[in-house]
Amino acid sequence: EAGVAQSPRYKIIEKRQSVAFWCNPISGHATLYWYQQILGQGPKLLIQFQNNGVVDDSQLPKDRFSAERLKGVDSTLKIQPAKLEDSAVYLCASSPLNQQFFGPGTRLTVL
Amino acid sequence: GIQVEQSPPDLILQEGANSTLRCNFSDSVNNLQWFHQNPWGQLINLFYIPSGTKQNGRLSATTVATERYSLLYISSSQTTDSGVYFCAGGTSGSRLTFGEGTQLTVNP
Repeated sequence: EAGVAQSPRYKIIEKRQSVAFWCNPISGHATLYWYQQILGQGPKLLIQFQNNGVVDDSQLPKDRFSAERLKGVDSTLKIQPAKLEDSAVYLCASSPLNQQFFGPGTRLTVL
Repeated sequence: GIQVEQSPPDLILQEGANSTLRCNFSDSVNNLQWFHQNPWGQLINLFYIPSGTKQNGRLSATTVATERYSLLYISSSQTTDSGVYFCAGGTSGSRLTFGEGTQLTVNP
């Protein structure tokens, strides 16, 4: 069974630029999550989708972050404009019910 | 929201030693998971264990839901067990809150 796929794996941008990340969950998993992990900390949930509906986006900085999950399968997370403090690893996870399975992440560096 | 406290923050072992990692929750949870983040950053789900005990090879976990804590046991540790161990908890349908992790180093 293929795991959660993410791209790109690494991205370096300058502040005020925009960036987008892509995630393809495990086939059949209805729930998809985007997390932000800052170095030395545990992952923090940004947004949770159930199929193509948003379940929880209370911790998403909506003035600069947006996410969508069209057709209830893959998803994109966008940051526009990026700030220095957005430097982190962005993790995508999916679950069939409760147990979550993570992708390899995208390491973002904002200069 | 739920607060998650993990201990110890750091642990250094010799290969072959056993260890116990602990996770305390500030409130009741019915969704509790343990993860291992390897040195390359990949998060691996070890256990979904809202209560009771589970075993998978050299790893086992026990959750005492009524006392709001969970333990992860690693026996006969190997260098490949190195990395950061996270516990995460929440209630059904709500977000998982992750702890700060335990950094484990297993020396040959």
